[in-house]
Amino acid sequence: VQLVESGGGLVQPGKSLRLSCAASGFTFDDYAMQWVRQAPGKGLEWVSGINWNSGSIGYADSVKGRFTISRDNAKNSLYLQMNSLRVEDTGMYYCVKGNGIAVADPFDYWGQGTLVTVSS
Amino acid sequence: DIQLTQSPSFLSASVGDRVTITCRASQDISSYLAWYQQKPGKVPKLLIYAASTLQTGVPSRFSGSGSGTEFTLTISSLQPEDFATYYCQQLNSYPWTFGQGTKVEIK
Repeated sequence: VQLVESGGGLVQPGKSLRLSCAASGFTFDDYAMQWVRQAPGKGLEWVSGINWNSGSIGYADSVKGRFTISRDNAKNSLYLQMNSLRVEDTGMYYCVKGNGIAVADPFDYWGQGTLVTVSS
Repeated sequence: DIQLTQSPSFLSASVGDRVTITCRASQDISSYLAWYQQKPGKVPKLLIYAASTLQTGVPSRFSGSGSGTEFTLTISSLQPEDFATYYCQQLNSYPWTFGQGTKVEIK
């Protein structure tokens, strides 16, 4: 299993970023996928999750209405569109594979992460 | 949202010690609880899910128990590679939430 995130960087408050995750080594459309973030020196925070066919999607309250998760099973890719970014969105964003098709399945593989820094 | 409170937040222990970490949920989450281990500079690793099911490849010295609102992670004999931060996570209802973490350090 390999999960490779990209798209992070330094961005000003109020701007947008789109994160991507390229998945390989497993049958992508057999599994739910998640985004989890971790602010520097802090704990884990779930951001968003999507089931195998995009029929079930969830968001943390802190990002609801600003972030959009999506997946392209033909491209084995997961995305996170982040709009209206805030300073408190700063952190490492991990692409995470679930161990089943449902969004509620536990998280068994984690990418190395992409760093998002929101600062003026 | 369901709050998870881990205790203790910090634990100092010796190699060979039996270590227990508790995770309390603010409401009933049945057995929808997972435990993760994170070492410095590394990504989290799934240890246990469904409160007590050991993830493939995880050493048997790790075990989990509990249901409802109180859960425990036990390491039966602490090894040098077990010094890390441990997080519980609930997957009962949105939004999924993590505990604040328990850092296990060498005494």
